[in-house]
Amino acid sequence: GAGVSQSPSNKVTEKGKDVELRCDPISGHTALYWYRQSLGQGLEFLIYFQGNSAPDKSGLPSDRFSAERTGGSVSTLTIQRTQQEDSAVYLCASSLAPSGYYYGYTFGSGTRLTVV
Amino acid sequence: GQQVMQIPQYQHVQEGEDFTTYCNSSTTLSNIQWYKQRPGGHPVFLIQLVKSGEVKKQKRLTFQFGEAKKNSSLHITATQTTDVGTYFCAGHRDSNYQLIWGAGTKLIIKP
Repeated sequence: GAGVSQSPSNKVTEKGKDVELRCDPISGHTALYWYRQSLGQGLEFLIYFQGNSAPDKSGLPSDRFSAERTGGSVSTLTIQRTQQEDSAVYLCASSLAPSGYYYGYTFGSGTRLTVV
Repeated sequence: GQQVMQIPQYQHVQEGEDFTTYCNSSTTLSNIQWYKQRPGGHPVFLIQLVKSGEVKKQKRLTFQFGEAKKNSSLHITATQTTDVGTYFCAGHRDSNYQLIWGAGTKLIIKP
């Protein structure tokens, strides 16, 4: 597609449930990133995929968080046993050049997760 | 670890006044990028600077990269309501490393 597509755009879930967030990057973009943004805050790095390399998972806040990227394209971020502090907007971005050099990141519109 | 500090956190201006946000890195960066996030939106890439002392302009926006490649600024002349949002700087330690983000400066136009 023309842009980075994220689904769902909004998700309300009960505490303790698992959720899956999906990101479809721009075709041909080899790098994919997940960030979390709490209300009025900056961008918190979660995970980075680059081509076939092992992902950089250094930003995942706990072992309840995991992500995969299938076929070098679509990515899924899974949060198990959700907690209220997981409530935030989850942003996915992709880039043409590795690490976003030259052309920057293109962000999706995000998934707003609310844990009740 | 390497950090990019961005100030101020917020800036309130009257429409027509100028606005500036500053970024400072603890170490040399290979480049600096600037993004704008409108209220309720997602960050959008504005520009990249690579060379020491580089200055680039986009209409009323002027971007600078310091001589030591450790600091950068974004200056908006004669702000308009369309400029409202949060401006983020981000830099690469090297081209193979992901971006290191500043915390953003929120521009608020006073009514």
